[in-house]
Amino acid sequence: DAKTTQPNSMESNEEEPVHLPCNHSTISGTDYIHWYRQLPSQGPEYVIHGLTSNVNNRMASLAIAEDRKSSTLILHRATLRDAAVYYCILSWRKTSYDKVIFGPGTSLSVIP
Amino acid sequence: DAGVIQSPRHEVTEMGQEVTLRCKPISGHDYLFWYRQTMMRGLELLIYFNNNVPIDDSGMPEDRFSAKMPNASFSTLKIQPSEPRDSAVYFCASSFRPGGNEKLFFGSGTQLSVL
Repeated sequence: DAKTTQPNSMESNEEEPVHLPCNHSTISGTDYIHWYRQLPSQGPEYVIHGLTSNVNNRMASLAIAEDRKSSTLILHRATLRDAAVYYCILSWRKTSYDKVIFGPGTSLSVIP
Repeated sequence: DAGVIQSPRHEVTEMGQEVTLRCKPISGHDYLFWYRQTMMRGLELLIYFNNNVPIDDSGMPEDRFSAKMPNASFSTLKIQPSEPRDSAVYFCASSFRPGGNEKLFFGSGTQLSVL
């Protein structure tokens, strides 16, 4: 299974942008890059995903490197509610449901 | 849409007792996943189903664990007999169909404590 590498933890000040990096040097051509986050005492929730191009939605932006070996999740203005564990995972291939493996993720702390 | 519904929210039991966790996936979703989360091992995939059929159960820790999906709207994860090391949060998730564009939707989890 293709794996991802993320920093264990990061800190951000409230209302400042946050850039959460993810390395996935063994990504294959059909792997999508997905980000989930897990708030305290809740199940993981979907944040954003992409294949090759940068993506934006109401929650965040995803910047994907040209060689697709790394990506960055961007929270434009961190709020206290964004304190969570953020997981970067490579999603299932089109023809079969590969295992969706969650790594340790990045624990984001937001400082008021 | 009510989302993925898990019950109970919390379960406290004694070692040796049978434990049954329940999950109702989102209507129309063809895939259902059971995950376990602990501080030491993080989120582990235990088993997943497609159209009620188990596809991969290689993550099930041992024979004490079993999972069933009798119909498209209900799944159970059973531990018999339970042991203290089974204490964890168990999550159920569902999704519509395979493909990189699909999202996983998680339930709120069941916090299991085995004394």
